[in-house]
Amino acid sequence: QLVLTQLPSASASLGASVKLTCTLSSGHSNYAIAWHQQQPEKGPRYLMKLNSDGSHNKGDGIPDRFSGSSSGAERYLTISSLQSDDEADYYCQTWGTGNWVFGGGTKLTVL
Amino acid sequence: EVQLLESGGGLVQPGGSLRLSCAASGFTFSTYGMSWVRQTPGKGLEWVSAITGIGGRTYYADSVKGRFTISRDNSKNTLYLQMNSLRVEDTAVFYCARGSKNTAYYPDYWGQGTLVTVSS
Repeated sequence: QLVLTQLPSASASLGASVKLTCTLSSGHSNYAIAWHQQQPEKGPRYLMKLNSDGSHNKGDGIPDRFSGSSSGAERYLTISSLQSDDEADYYCQTWGTGNWVFGGGTKLTVL
Repeated sequence: EVQLLESGGGLVQPGGSLRLSCAASGFTFSTYGMSWVRQTPGKGLEWVSAITGIGGRTYYADSVKGRFTISRDNSKNTLYLQMNSLRVEDTAVFYCARGSKNTAYYPDYWGQGTLVTVSS
């Protein structure tokens, strides 16, 4: 079964960097994913598509501070030079046959 | 600029019906797959249903199959979700999302959502 696993929370200081992790279930380690950001009280926003080789395609207007990388079944989202409005929920997402699968999300707190 | 604007949410009793709409602009609507995704208050995202651009093939999550119907009117650039036999557990914010170009493998634009509350 295709499942994406994310830690429920993460925190980092203003101006620092943070690396969020999304883990693909067994047998699906070659899947690409997408990362989405949801700021409080807003709809989600597409950040990037991330391939198994670490290459990624960012959405319109997504700053260079956001980058992606991959290792095995893990997909990462790195945010550098953290700003206060980076405090949000971050979801990874992939696709099956006609459907989308979402991870449980990671709530990022900027200290 | 791509815009997706949902409407039609509200309060409905269990067993009732509701139709959501999503007005799209800023892109050639007919050439993109579209989806509905919902979010229970305080919880994560759950894919609900999808429809292809041309041909209108539809897909549903098991939790809504047989109760919800997705459709689109390409002449009006509008996506719909007809929800019947609503349950308390359908209470959520419903988002309209555009599927990525050609494959619709991921949502590359999202709406702001419309709240559906199922309660007696």
